[in-house]
Amino acid sequence: EVQLVESGGGLVQPGGSLRLSCAAFGFSFSSYEMNWVRQAPGKGLEWVSYISSSGSAIYYADSVKGRITISRDNAKNSLYLQMNSLRAEDTAVYYCARDRQSGASPFDYWGQGTLVTVSS
Amino acid sequence: DIQMTQSPSSLSASVGDRVTITCRASQGISNYLAWYQQKPGEVPKLLIYAASALQSGVPSRFSGSGSGTDFTLTISSLQPEDVATYYCQKYNSAPRTFGQGTKVEIK
Repeated sequence: EVQLVESGGGLVQPGGSLRLSCAAFGFSFSSYEMNWVRQAPGKGLEWVSYISSSGSAIYYADSVKGRITISRDNAKNSLYLQMNSLRAEDTAVYYCARDRQSGASPFDYWGQGTLVTVSS
Repeated sequence: DIQMTQSPSSLSASVGDRVTITCRASQGISNYLAWYQQKPGEVPKLLIYAASALQSGVPSRFSGSGSGTDFTLTISSLQPEDVATYYCQKYNSAPRTFGQGTKVEIK
């Protein structure tokens, strides 16, 4: 069974940093492209970042570019999101999501999400 | 960047009604369009990909159509368990933008 389990969320002060993790189970992680998507409280979905299966291709939303770094460790079946210079508007549930297939693809599996709260 | 605009933002319909949600891309995206369902308190679920392909396990009352800039999600006979917010998403290239969502309620 495919499972994605996020961790690392919490309360952080504005300007602070946080590293999110997503552990993958039940599929060949190294073969799949992965994403981070966030959802602010009571708001819609916002795509944050993408990383290819090998890690060689990476993309970011303009809203986080320069402050957030996506990475992966295929040996550990894990996806990461390093978030720096956090702002109040980064407060959201952060989901990791798997591309359905290689190439341009929607997201077929999502984790349960981890809540990041940026507040003093 | 391509913008995705859904309409309406919310709707209320009776059980058994046919429900239609539209999604418009600001530029052509061929058929690289997905629809997701997010029930209250739950994780988003993929319903439709490639504009009209039904994801495995999704009830056949859900269907999608369109190509280029204009797309439609149809629920042929609304059921109580369909109460949710529905999002379209373009995925042909980054940014993989979502629409703002359409909240569906039962009248």
